[in-house]
Amino acid sequence: SQTIHQWPATLVQPVGSPLSLECTVEGTSNPNLYWYRQAAGRGLQLLFYSVGIGQISSEVPQNLSASRPQDRQFILSSKKLLLSDSGFYLCAWATGKGQPQHFGDGTRLSIL
Amino acid sequence: DAKTTQPPSMDCAEGRAANLPCNHSTISGNEYVYWYRQIHSQGPQYIIHGLKNNETNEMASLIITEDRKSSTLILPHATLRDTAVYYCIVKSNTGKLIFGQGTTLQVKP
Repeated sequence: SQTIHQWPATLVQPVGSPLSLECTVEGTSNPNLYWYRQAAGRGLQLLFYSVGIGQISSEVPQNLSASRPQDRQFILSSKKLLLSDSGFYLCAWATGKGQPQHFGDGTRLSIL
Repeated sequence: DAKTTQPPSMDCAEGRAANLPCNHSTISGNEYVYWYRQIHSQGPQYIIHGLKNNETNEMASLIITEDRKSSTLILPHATLRDTAVYYCIVKSNTGKLIFGQGTTLQVKP
């Protein structure tokens, strides 16, 4: 069966520091991969999605970037974190467009 | 993608069926109805989806009206672990998964 892993589960970072969040999927090949952010009390906002290695689509302009160095690995990064980057970051995968997305357990990021 | 309207909150007694309504009066012919839930501090969990016909899986049943303008998610025997925020989303195959505010379901003993 397929599983998705995100780490770390929680992270506290100072303003201006770099960020790297990792997401890996097991049990499937060539999945669509997604990064979402959920601010406190709000719905999910799609940040990036990828349909293959090296292929990244950005949904909103921001301080973050994403990369897909391997088929089942999706990384969310920032060179310098802002206070507004705080939130709950979720990675998801799907077998293809139009298929249900399956989410990881998320990373709760706090910026001080 | 069409918007959905859900009640902000609902209560259900443990062991009873939980019926969660969703209105999507502007749904297009190629848009599916998806249901997800999010238990506090966890990622959303996919429950079920459908286009026209009613659907059932091990978690729930989805009843879609004939005109497709509304649907109901049914949890046949709610347990305390079903307490969560339930999201009804309509999207096409190429559309984005857009989460609204959802319905907070509280299952009570």
